[in-house]
Amino acid sequence: EPEVTQTPSHQVTQMGQEVILRCVPISNHLYFYWYRQILGQKVEFLVSFYNNEISEKSEIFDDQFSVERPDGSNFTLKIRSTKLEDSAMYFCASSGQGYNEQFFGPGTRLTVL
Amino acid sequence: GESVGLHLPTLSVQEGDNSIINCAYSNSASDYFIWYKQESGKGPQFIIDIRSNMDKRQGQRVTVLLNKTVKHLSLQIAATQPGDSAVYFCAEKGKSGNTPLVFGKGTRLSVIA
Repeated sequence: EPEVTQTPSHQVTQMGQEVILRCVPISNHLYFYWYRQILGQKVEFLVSFYNNEISEKSEIFDDQFSVERPDGSNFTLKIRSTKLEDSAMYFCASSGQGYNEQFFGPGTRLTVL
Repeated sequence: GESVGLHLPTLSVQEGDNSIINCAYSNSASDYFIWYKQESGKGPQFIIDIRSNMDKRQGQRVTVLLNKTVKHLSLQIAATQPGDSAVYFCAEKGKSGNTPLVFGKGTRLSVIA
């Protein structure tokens, strides 16, 4: 069964450093998303991506965040200068054209020290 | 702002009993509702969905009920098993294919063997 994969599973970084979180969506999907979940809280939308551009973004997704689809398989989330409050689980999701169901990856736990 | 929320943060049930997890939503324009299951350290896993033109949908051991009059969503799990122990999130979204999911806070289901 096809699945969304994410790397790394855990990333530890110092405050102010840049991090790149990587995702490989399901191969025939066209819509891609990043969500985050601070420990013990609900899952929050960050950004959606379609046709090589951002479709929608939340207030959380400020100028420190960027997304990219550098090739035909990867979808990345970059945080330029991490803050302590960026510590969270980051989930990538994808969905196919015409479908609403979003399939989630296992997440990357980001810890900012 | 509009949000999706949950009535109960925790629910403990005996193995074999039925479980009912509730969710209230406030966005009357939402067209699509989903229940996700999240086990510790994993990403949200799709359980069942329902569109706004339906009031009930059944899956394997699970049933989702939608009451648009009172903006209420519930997930019923029949013959609850230890493997059902997890946090359950309801989520809602609008009609467009790639609109983001809005998640509720989550209910932790604990199954007592």
